[in-house]
Amino acid sequence: GAVVSQHPSWVICKSGTSVKIECRSLDFQATTMFWYRQFPKQSLMLMATSNEGSKATYEQGVEKDKFLINHASLTLSTLTVTSAHPEDSSFYICSANGLDEGGYTFGSGTRLTVV
Amino acid sequence: DQQVKQNSPSLSVQEGRISILNCDYTNSMFDYFLWYKKYPAEGPTFLISISSIKDKNEDGRFTVFLNKSAKHLSLHIVPSQPGDSAVYFCAASAGSGGSNYKLTFGKGTLLTVNP
Repeated sequence: GAVVSQHPSWVICKSGTSVKIECRSLDFQATTMFWYRQFPKQSLMLMATSNEGSKATYEQGVEKDKFLINHASLTLSTLTVTSAHPEDSSFYICSANGLDEGGYTFGSGTRLTVV
Repeated sequence: DQQVKQNSPSLSVQEGRISILNCDYTNSMFDYFLWYKKYPAEGPTFLISISSIKDKNEDGRFTVFLNKSAKHLSLHIVPSQPGDSAVYFCAASAGSGGSNYKLTFGKGTLLTVNP
């Protein structure tokens, strides 16, 4: 089935630094990718919709200047958390409109810890 | 405003018995519903979906029932196995199953199947 590779799986960074998370569709092309954030024991909250070749669409309350999304090709979308703060610590997951039954294929997630 | 609600944070079931996980939604525009299984620090894995034109969909041990008038769906797992222990998320979209449409997730239900 369709595979979405997400890297890194975990990262620890210092406050004020930036972190880039990559999401790749390995065996299919994804015109649309989604970025979610999950806090402990909470739902997956959609942050933004990433469309290849155009600007991402951010959900209400998500700072686009803080969470930079780039979808430069049909197989790669990146999320950069800029000037990270401890409150940005969370589990970030991407998904792509893949070929699997159900239509959405998820990456394995990235655990970000800001110290 | 939570549009997809899973009111039971946890459920414990004996091996071999039926597990019933419930989900309610408020947005009448939702027309496609999915269930995902998720382990800690991993991305969600697709289980089963249902379109609003159906009221039941079955796949092996998993059956999803949809009651549109009540805006309620449920996932039945029969027979339950210890390997089914995980967090189950209900998700909905308003895109008729098209995977360019964003998903709205519930908070999840932790299912524990006891041997």
